[in-house]
Amino acid sequence: AQSVAQPEDQVNVAEGNPLTVKCTYSVSGNPYLFWYVQYPNRGLQFLLKYITGDNLVKGSYGFEAEFNKSQTSFHLKKPSALVSDSALYFCAVRAVNDYKLSFGAGTTVTVRA
Amino acid sequence: SQTIHQWPATLVQPVGSPLSLECTVEGTSNPNLYWYRQAAGRGLQLLFYSVGIGQISSEVPQNLSASRPQDRQFILSSKKLLLSDSGFYLCAWGRGSDTQYFGPGTRLTVL
Repeated sequence: AQSVAQPEDQVNVAEGNPLTVKCTYSVSGNPYLFWYVQYPNRGLQFLLKYITGDNLVKGSYGFEAEFNKSQTSFHLKKPSALVSDSALYFCAVRAVNDYKLSFGAGTTVTVRA
Repeated sequence: SQTIHQWPATLVQPVGSPLSLECTVEGTSNPNLYWYRQAAGRGLQLLFYSVGIGQISSEVPQNLSASRPQDRQFILSSKKLLLSDSGFYLCAWGRGSDTQYFGPGTRLTVL
């Protein structure tokens, strides 16, 4: 079985400061890892994914994530947060050749001006 | 480019009434299609997925059902809604084991 843990329900940062949202995963074999963002009453928007290759993945809106196989982590980062980054963030994992994604419970990010 | 639509955007239904939510995808063929439910603005629960016309896999036994009458159409149904069916329903599409892309969602309130 595959699973994702997002250990923080909420992350609060000041605008301009670095933002990190944590994610650890469990899956059989090599993982496919994803980050999504959700604004209120909207669908999920895809931010970035790790399939293979470079452990540092760059995505939309200045976000990046680092895959760490030994720590089974895939933390989302942004060097300088914006107020508009305030949203709900989901990490997800799937096994190779599996159709189904497993999502974490989500982390609410609040960026204060 | 691909686009995914869901309707209606909002729905208020009495307990015991039927339900039909529709999802359509444009700009791709033979997508995998998914229905999720999100309760209280948090975690997503996979309800159904489909890898082809008429092929439906159910993840959670409940009073909901899904159908795929056309390649790019996915319908979520119920004969009799329960209070616990309230939530935010999201449709998604993907190709193989690649990224899933989500629709705008339907907010269902059962009274």
